[in-house]
Amino acid sequence: EAQVTQNPRYLITVTGKKLTVTCSQNMNHEYMSWYRQDPGLGLRQIYYSMNVEVTDKGDVPEGYKVSRKEKRNFPLILESPSPNQTSLYFCASSLTSGGSEQFFGPGTRLTVL
Amino acid sequence: AQSVTQPDIHITVSEGASLELRCNYSYGATPYLFWYVQSPGQGLQLLLKYFSGDTLVQGIKGFEAEFKRSQSSFNLRKPSVHWSDAAEYFCAVVPYMDSSYKLIFGSGTRLLVRP
Repeated sequence: EAQVTQNPRYLITVTGKKLTVTCSQNMNHEYMSWYRQDPGLGLRQIYYSMNVEVTDKGDVPEGYKVSRKEKRNFPLILESPSPNQTSLYFCASSLTSGGSEQFFGPGTRLTVL
Repeated sequence: AQSVTQPDIHITVSEGASLELRCNYSYGATPYLFWYVQSPGQGLQLLLKYFSGDTLVQGIKGFEAEFKRSQSSFNLRKPSVHWSDAAEYFCAVVPYMDSSYKLIFGSGTRLLVRP
């Protein structure tokens, strides 16, 4: 089944404890992206990747890192999480950039205490 | 400023009634336009999209949307709502010629369906 998977789905952590949220797609998509969703704000892009080893900042990149060493994986790294990073995170992928449909993962709900 | 606006935070309709969700955008050139639906605890699913051509677009689950250039709008409609349509709906755009190709989302409209 074609899908985008994220792990973990739920995570509660403490300030400053490094964490990684994994994202994997099995559709051979070139474009991958991370969004965060906050009430009243919709979804905002954190980072995106056009292809392997090509990443760039989105609208809200502060406090996050990403890497794209393989086409299928695009992990989101929080080196030192803070409470303002408590949010619902979505990974998305699309065949190419531009107007291609972006397929979304199920989301990761992160709470930073 | 460039933005996507969904003026209705919540909408409640009775099952079987018609539905229209509003979306306006403010970009110089017509962007790519999308509607996504998010059911509780789920990711986002694409309902329909508009790139060019016929301004009335048909999507999944009986939804349609009409692009109106003069009003910078892309409103979502359904003639008869089902209880399973209760969800949050997001209008989104990819600005034309934006090198990041990111989706820019409105703040969402939560649809409640009365039995």
